[in-house]
Amino acid sequence: EVQLLESGGGLVQPGGSLRLSCAASGFTFSDYAINWVRQSPGKGLEWVATIGSGPGYPYYADSVKGRSTISRDNSRNTLYLQIDGLRADDTAVYYCSRDIGGRPDYWGQGTLVTVSS
Amino acid sequence: EIVLTQSPATLSLSPGERATLSCRASQSVDRYLAWFQQKPGQAPRLLMYDISTRATGIPARFSGSGSGTDFTLTISSLEPEDFALYYCQQRTNWPRTSFGQGTKLEIK
Repeated sequence: EVQLLESGGGLVQPGGSLRLSCAASGFTFSDYAINWVRQSPGKGLEWVATIGSGPGYPYYADSVKGRSTISRDNSRNTLYLQIDGLRADDTAVYYCSRDIGGRPDYWGQGTLVTVSS
Repeated sequence: EIVLTQSPATLSLSPGERATLSCRASQSVDRYLAWFQQKPGQAPRLLMYDISTRATGIPARFSGSGSGTDFTLTISSLEPEDFALYYCQQRTNWPRTSFGQGTKLEIK
């Protein structure tokens, strides 16, 4: 069974940093691209970043580019997202999702990031 | 950036009725259009991809249609578990993807 489990969310002050993790199981992690997608309270879905299994990656949305780093450790079947310079509009539930050519077919349950003083 | 506009924002129907949800793209997305269902407190669930291909385990009452910039998700006969939020998504410029703002399907 494919499973994705996010962790690392919490309350952070504006300007702070956070590292989110996504532990994967039930599939060959290294074979797949993985995404981070976020959902602000009461709002829709926003793609944040993608890291692939091959060269030419990663990619970032303009809203986080320059202050975020997506990475993966295939030996630990884990995906990471480091976000620096956090702002109030980064407040959201952050989901990781397995990707097949642009189709996020499995999602984790999400981890909530709240940016507030 | 390709903008997806979903309509209506809220759709109120009764179990057994037919639901028709729309998604319009600001430019052609070819066949790269997907639909997701999201229930309160849950992650999105892939329903449909490439306009009309049902994801694994999705019942046949769900169908997708359309082309170019105009797409439709149809639920032929609503079951109680179908009342949820629905999002469309395009992947024309993958991995740079975008989602619609959602349609809430609520019980009338």
